[in-house]
Amino acid sequence: EVQLLESGGDLVQPGGSLRLSCAASGFTFSNYAMTWVRQAPGKGLEWVSHISYSGGDTYYADSVKGRFTISRDSSKNTVDLQMNSLRAEDTAVYYCAFKGVSRFYWGQGTLVTVSS
Amino acid sequence: EIVLTQSPGTLSLSPGERATLSCRASQSVSSNYLAWYQQKPGQAPRLLIYAASSRATGIPDRFSGSGSGTDFTLTISRLEPEDFAVYYCQQYASSPRWTFGQGTKVEIK
Repeated sequence: EVQLLESGGDLVQPGGSLRLSCAASGFTFSNYAMTWVRQAPGKGLEWVSHISYSGGDTYYADSVKGRFTISRDSSKNTVDLQMNSLRAEDTAVYYCAFKGVSRFYWGQGTLVTVSS
Repeated sequence: EIVLTQSPGTLSLSPGERATLSCRASQSVSSNYLAWYQQKPGQAPRLLIYAASSRATGIPDRFSGSGSGTDFTLTISRLEPEDFAVYYCQQYASSPRWTFGQGTKVEIK
């Protein structure tokens, strides 16, 4: 069974940093690109970042470019999101997801709150 | 960037009624790479439909998707109590950059 388990969400002050992690299991992790999507409280879904199956290509939403870094470790089956210079508008539930052969898989999310 | 616009914003219906949700794209979604999700409070999005009209595993057949190009529709033939939720469309034609509609809330009338 495919599982994605996010962790690392917390309350952090504006300007601070946080590292999210997504642990994957139940599929061949190294074969799939991985994506982070976020959802601010009461708002819709926003694509944040993507990393290719090899880790060689990364992409970011304009809203986080230069502040967030996505990475993956195929020895641990994890994909991380390093978030720096956090702002109040980064407050959201962050989901890890990927597109399989014929469907999408999502984790349950981890909450990041940026507030003083 | 492909912008998705969902309508209506809120749909007030009674159990047993038919729900028709619209998702319009700012440009053609190639290969009909469009998905629909259901989301309930405190839960992750649940995939209902992918490739515009293919039902995901375990999704009841009262859910159906249709459309192509720039106009897509999610239809719930007869609303069950558990179907009252927020629904999002997603395009993945411009991968890796997915975009989502703003959501349609289906509420009990």
